[in-house]
Amino acid sequence: GAVVSQHPSWVICKSGTSVKIECRSLDFQATTMFWYRQFPKQSLMLMATSNEGSKATYEQGVEKDKFLINHASLTLSTLTVTSAHPEDSSFYICSARDMGAEQFFGPGTRLTVL
Amino acid sequence: SQQGEEDPQALSIQEGENATMNCSYKTSINNLQWYRQNSGRGLVHLILIRSNEREKHSGRLRVTLDTSKKSSSLLITASRAADTASYFCATDDKAAGNKLTFGGGTRVLVKP
Repeated sequence: GAVVSQHPSWVICKSGTSVKIECRSLDFQATTMFWYRQFPKQSLMLMATSNEGSKATYEQGVEKDKFLINHASLTLSTLTVTSAHPEDSSFYICSARDMGAEQFFGPGTRLTVL
Repeated sequence: SQQGEEDPQALSIQEGENATMNCSYKTSINNLQWYRQNSGRGLVHLILIRSNEREKHSGRLRVTLDTSKKSSSLLITASRAADTASYFCATDDKAAGNKLTFGGGTRVLVKP
């Protein structure tokens, strides 16, 4: 199946710094990429949908100025958590979809903000 | 917001037994998908069942879909310790632009 990678797999940062997470589709072109957040023992919550070359669509309650998404190419989307705070600590997962219905998920990035 | 509700939230069984978990949703869907997630890892796609399908099989997995009741079930037969994971259903909502909405998940523990 299609492969989606995320980098880094884990990151620890100080409060107030910004962190960038990359999501790449390795063997297919992703017209749409999705970013999810997952707190411990909870389900995935969709944060935003990004289409290549256009602005991301954020879900209700997600601050677009705090979670910057850039879908620069058909194989790369980035999520930047700006001015991170401890409450932003979470597991961030991206997924990518080509023209079909199936979404292919990355392995996730664990963010810990001290 | 979460659309899918999963039941049970947690399940503990012996190796060799079957595990059944259910998912209910609220809106009209294009399809429903089941995923597995091992602790602290990404999601693995298990099965996609379309709204016009009623049952689907993949190896030891059997998924049913009842659109009249807006519910689906995932059955894992002859479970193995390696099946220990969290299982999530996700609906592809017709009105939501093909976004997936995940259920709360069922944590399955298969004891050897």
